[in-house]
Amino acid sequence: GDSVTQMEGPVTLSEEAFLTINCTYTATGYPSLFWYVQYPGEGLQLLLKATKADDKGSNKGFEATYRKETTSFHLEKGSVQVSDSAVYFCALGLYSSASKIIFGSGTRLSIRP
Amino acid sequence: EAGVAQSPRYKIIEKRQSVAFWCNPISGHATLYWYQQILGQGPKLLIQFQNNGVVDDSQLPKDRFSAERLKGVDSTLKIQPAKLEDSAVYLCASSSTRAGNTIYFGEGSWLTVV
Repeated sequence: GDSVTQMEGPVTLSEEAFLTINCTYTATGYPSLFWYVQYPGEGLQLLLKATKADDKGSNKGFEATYRKETTSFHLEKGSVQVSDSAVYFCALGLYSSASKIIFGSGTRLSIRP
Repeated sequence: EAGVAQSPRYKIIEKRQSVAFWCNPISGHATLYWYQQILGQGPKLLIQFQNNGVVDDSQLPKDRFSAERLKGVDSTLKIQPAKLEDSAVYLCASSSTRAGNTIYFGEGSWLTVV
């Protein structure tokens, strides 16, 4: 079935370090791919998305490229900040008669000053 | 544009009691979702509505959970009777084909069953 697998956390980095959070997916058809972020005590927010192969989504310094050949959508940021500490969810969206989104289990990121 | 509204934000109940959560989606969004997010896990879809019809409720524990969207706008999710393992955040979300099918989430209703 359709599913998303992302690297387990927690991930702890120092400020200004390079970040990669791996995400791979299994899906029939041609899904859209998303990264959502959840800050402590808040709801899910859409961070970025890509709707077709080779698209790059970007927002707030984060980037992810839709790689159909490796079924991956890894999240990257060149220089993380303390304010990036949150839980990050990779997700895939399926669209037939209506939208449906399936989430990975989440990766907790902690940034040390 | 107003986002997805949910209430209450926080609820503590004893096991075997009942609870109801309310959601008002973004105006004009035909699709409404209820997700359950247990601490440390990703959100799991409980039920999906398209207007006032159910699209997918395959993961809804129907012996204790129910949901309705009678007029195709706001929705209510009920749990009766609650169990300890129902402690979670209940997320409501909505989407529209006119808005590119992006799914927007509310802030969630945090349920603790003691």
